[in-house]
Amino acid sequence: DAGVTQSPTHLIKTRGQHVTLRCSPISGHKSVSWYQQVLGQGPQFIFQYYEKEERGRGNFPDRFSARQFPNYSSELNVNALLLGDSALYLCASSLEVVRGPGEKLFFGSGTQLSVL
Amino acid sequence: DAKTTQPTSMDCAEGRAANLPCNHSTISGNEYVYWYRQIHSQGPQYIIHGLKNNETNEMASLIITEDRKSSTLILPHATLRDTAVYYCIVRASHGSARQLTFGSGTQLTVLP
Repeated sequence: DAGVTQSPTHLIKTRGQHVTLRCSPISGHKSVSWYQQVLGQGPQFIFQYYEKEERGRGNFPDRFSARQFPNYSSELNVNALLLGDSALYLCASSLEVVRGPGEKLFFGSGTQLSVL
Repeated sequence: DAKTTQPTSMDCAEGRAANLPCNHSTISGNEYVYWYRQIHSQGPQYIIHGLKNNETNEMASLIITEDRKSSTLILPHATLRDTAVYYCIVRASHGSARQLTFGSGTQLTVLP
């Protein structure tokens, strides 16, 4: 079975541009979360989506937005890119069992974004 | 969610047990301890979780102290492929958001 897939794997942009990152969850998983990982730090939560609705948002500016499609795939959009947005962007999927302590997040390998 | 403290790095000889400590002295009664690891150039991978009892699965064992203020992840027979950053995460399991708060983790290096 395919795991979480993300595209593209690498991306180079310049300041001020916008970027769209894509994620396909594991088949049957209805929840998708996005994380940003700056070099040398742990991942930071950006968004969670379940059944096309935003269920959680981390401490990120409005330049960051996301959406989830009927097939549960997701896009992360970042506008007006800054140098500090350079990071590994990780997508994770889960079954989203409400109040399930054992629920695991399954992560993709990420998209490495470089902003020049 | 409670904050965790982990050593920055640890070494372990191949074939020996790797014991990774985590301090979570402010943990509350409804918070679980999760462990994930991140091998270089990959996304984090779930290892194990627990509330107050010791847990074991095919990957590792989790030992949680009686007062729940600290825990230890044990890899019983470390291999070179276990070299990774290990994250200890504490979070309450309520609501529907699956937000994990990662710290900086412990870089475990398994030496041949």
